[in-house]
Amino acid sequence: AQSVSQHNHHVILSEAASLELGCNYSYGGTVNLFWYVQYPGQHLQLLLKYFSGDPLVKGIKGFEAEFIKSKFSFNLRKPSVQWSDTAEYFCAVRGANTDKLIFGTGTRLQVFP
Amino acid sequence: GAVVSQHPSWVICKSGTSVKIECRSLDFQATTMFWYRQFPKQSLMLMATSNEGSKATYEQGVEKDKFLINHASLTLSTLTVTSAHPEDSSFYICSVRQNSYEQYFGPGTRLTVT
Repeated sequence: AQSVSQHNHHVILSEAASLELGCNYSYGGTVNLFWYVQYPGQHLQLLLKYFSGDPLVKGIKGFEAEFIKSKFSFNLRKPSVQWSDTAEYFCAVRGANTDKLIFGTGTRLQVFP
Repeated sequence: GAVVSQHPSWVICKSGTSVKIECRSLDFQATTMFWYRQFPKQSLMLMATSNEGSKATYEQGVEKDKFLINHASLTLSTLTVTSAHPEDSSFYICSVRQNSYEQYFGPGTRLTVT
């Protein structure tokens, strides 16, 4: 079955700490991968995406993610978080020839100053 | 990216009544819109794909007679929850597909059925 797993449900960090949020997917075939962020009271916004090419992709606000095909993973990283990064983060996968996005359950990140 | 609005942002209705939720693409003509549902602490689940001028495509397990979708123009799609029940209480989110790769999401509508 097609699915996305985010193992970290709630992460609490202090400012300047490094962040890594796990994302693993189960999907047969070529995939496109996404990380979305939802700041408190706001709509989902695209952080970064991977379609092909360099497996290390850089997104907005200093975030990056690495696609490791052999591990079916697309972990999100940021070397130094800020209080303003407090938000809900969603990993999503889509078959390369489909419209349907499959989301993970999300990870709530709280950053304390 | 595309700017998407939803109305209302929250609604409370009595069991047995119907509720209409609007999704508007404010700066882009969208031939395809999507409707998602999100339960607390769960992921977004795609309910249906709304195509302008044609019938919506529903995901397996979604009752098309209960969740009526109308995409009458390139900037508006509506979701009507008919004969709502408390188990329909949820967060409903729409998105717009701007190109082959990206979707832009609305702010969501929280529905509470009492």
